[in-house]
Amino acid sequence: AQTVTQSQPEMSVQEAETVTLSCTYDTSESDYYLFWYKQPPSRQMILVIRQEAYKQQNATENRFSVNFQKAAKSFSLKISDSQLGDAAMYFCAYRRLSNTGKLIFGQGTTLQVKP
Amino acid sequence: GAGVSQSPSNKVTEKGKDVELRCDPISGHTALYWYRQSLGQGLEFLIYFQGNSAPDKSGLPSDRFSAERTGGSVSTLTIQRTQQEDSAVYLCASSPRSSSSGSLSYEQYFGPGTRLTVT
Repeated sequence: AQTVTQSQPEMSVQEAETVTLSCTYDTSESDYYLFWYKQPPSRQMILVIRQEAYKQQNATENRFSVNFQKAAKSFSLKISDSQLGDAAMYFCAYRRLSNTGKLIFGQGTTLQVKP
Repeated sequence: GAGVSQSPSNKVTEKGKDVELRCDPISGHTALYWYRQSLGQGLEFLIYFQGNSAPDKSGLPSDRFSAERTGGSVSTLTIQRTQQEDSAVYLCASSPRSSSSGSLSYEQYFGPGTRLTVT
């Protein structure tokens, strides 16, 4: 069975600085998707960024980028130029390429942004 | 356009009562998922519907939990004889088919969830 681990329950960053959230996963499959979701206090999960495992290039979405290390099964999220609106809980998630598409989530990391 | 909606937003019930949680997916989305977010278990998959196919119920924690999806649209998650450990936020998500490949899109669109408190 696949598992996703986020070892940082809480992180904090100064506004305008850079922060990296860690995620590791375990799978025996070679093709899959990885995601980072953001959950603000409103509870609405928002997709931040995704990575297809077959792609070697790290995904980037504006201030958000990932460091995908397939052999190490590591998938960290870097947030540059942190903004107050980035404060939220962040979840790393895994999805198999086939079957139902259900997501397997990590435990989450609460990010605090200090002004 | 309208996103995924869920009702009620919050629900407080007494232990032993039955509850129904509703999810309205985005129009045209063929796939629908229920997840549960609790302090002890984190975010976990419950059930998945795809068109007219048999649902994937592999994540339902007990036979007190059931769900249905009528007409390929609205879904209801029912919890019978609620227990205190059922207290959680129940999230619904929907997903379209990829317009290019026809396979299931990678992206799931989440609703705001229902916070269930069992007293």
